[in-house]
Amino acid sequence: AQKITQTQPGMFVQEKEAVTLDCTYDTSDPSYGLFWYKQPSSGEMIFLIYQGSYDQQNATEGRYSLNFQKARKSANLVISASQLGDSAMYFCAMRERFNTDKLIFGTGTRLQVFP
Amino acid sequence: DVKVTQSSRYLVKRTGEKVFLECVQDMDHENMFWYRQDPGLGLRLIYFSYDVKMKEKGDIPEGYSVSREKKERFSLILESASTNQTSMYLCASSLSQGAPRSQETQYFGPGTRLLVL
Repeated sequence: AQKITQTQPGMFVQEKEAVTLDCTYDTSDPSYGLFWYKQPSSGEMIFLIYQGSYDQQNATEGRYSLNFQKARKSANLVISASQLGDSAMYFCAMRERFNTDKLIFGTGTRLQVFP
Repeated sequence: DVKVTQSSRYLVKRTGEKVFLECVQDMDHENMFWYRQDPGLGLRLIYFSYDVKMKEKGDIPEGYSVSREKKERFSLILESASTNQTSMYLCASSLSQGAPRSQETQYFGPGTRLLVL
């Protein structure tokens, strides 16, 4: 069965430092997509970044980058130059293969950025 | 911009009440989803719909039903609310891409925090 694992319930990082949020996944299918979302305290889920299983390069979006290691089945989110506004819950998700419009979510990591 | 709205941000109901959570999207998306979010469990899919009047069970459909009479509106119904349905409910919508590697994300509403007393 397909599964997403986020082993870090909480992380702290100092402002302006980089932080890595871990995500591992389990699937036997060669074709899949991976997503990261941010959820501030307001509750709305905000899409951050996407990585396709056949993409040759790691995805980047501004200060967000995805460290995609296919052989290890990991898709870690790297936030560079952390800001106080980055404090939020972060979720990793995978698009299923045979139900291709559904997403499976991890349990999330709460990131706290301190001055 | 895609806009997904939910009828209430906060809701307090009593055990046994029938509860309606409404979700509306304005981007003509085929797919709509209802999730519940609980601490330590992430988001779990309750029901989804890929077309008007079509619905499919997600991972935790027990105690819930849904209705999709119009493309833009997807309703979640708690027939008889129970305290274990106290949770954050998130609605989402997406285009139907039919490809697992599609970059098309799901767009989420602001969520409804439901408290059942």
